[in-house]
Amino acid sequence: KAGVTQTPRYLIKTRGQQVTLSCSPISGHRSVSWYQQTPGQGLQFLFEYFSETQRNKGNFPGRFSGRQFSNSRSEMNVSTLELGDSALYLCASNLEGVTDTQYFGPGTRLTVL
Amino acid sequence: KQEVTQIPAALSVPEGENLVLNCSFTDSAIYNLQWFRQDPGKGLTSLLLIQSSQREQTSGRLNASLDKSSGRSTLYIAASQPGDSATYLCAVGDSYKLIFGSGTRLLVRP
Repeated sequence: KAGVTQTPRYLIKTRGQQVTLSCSPISGHRSVSWYQQTPGQGLQFLFEYFSETQRNKGNFPGRFSGRQFSNSRSEMNVSTLELGDSALYLCASNLEGVTDTQYFGPGTRLTVL
Repeated sequence: KQEVTQIPAALSVPEGENLVLNCSFTDSAIYNLQWFRQDPGKGLTSLLLIQSSQREQTSGRLNASLDKSSGRSTLYIAASQPGDSATYLCAVGDSYKLIFGSGTRLLVRP
């Protein structure tokens, strides 16, 4: 069974630009969650999608948004990038939600200059 | 507000040692607790998931325990190997998300 894939793996952007990250979950998994990992704040929850609907959202500004498609693939978008958005963005795939084992992708390393 | 703490922050041991990593949480109302491993610059690999009704889980050389009443979990690694070197993260399942500790960086010296 193929694991969780994330594209691109690395991105370099400048302040003010926007970026879109993609996550393909494990086949059959309907829930996709996104996390931001930084040295200072550690891993923080961004949002969760289930069957194309955003079920939950973390404490991040509205510049962070996402969506999920009918095949469960998910994208997250960050608009008007700031230096502090530099981070490793991880998505997690699971069957139904937090009660299941979370399977993480390799992450997208975003650097904002 | 749930807070997750991991002690120690870093650990260096010689190969072959048995070791214990600690994780504590402030609110016992959790769905589950999951241990992960993260290699530098990589994603997280799930090691063990303990549901709130369970006391422990085992996989190979790894054993994780959960004591909700005291807000503690331990990850026991038997006969450590250099390949075990990584950062180990615990995370509690809190209704819809995982809340992570800051991790323990483990180095197993040959």
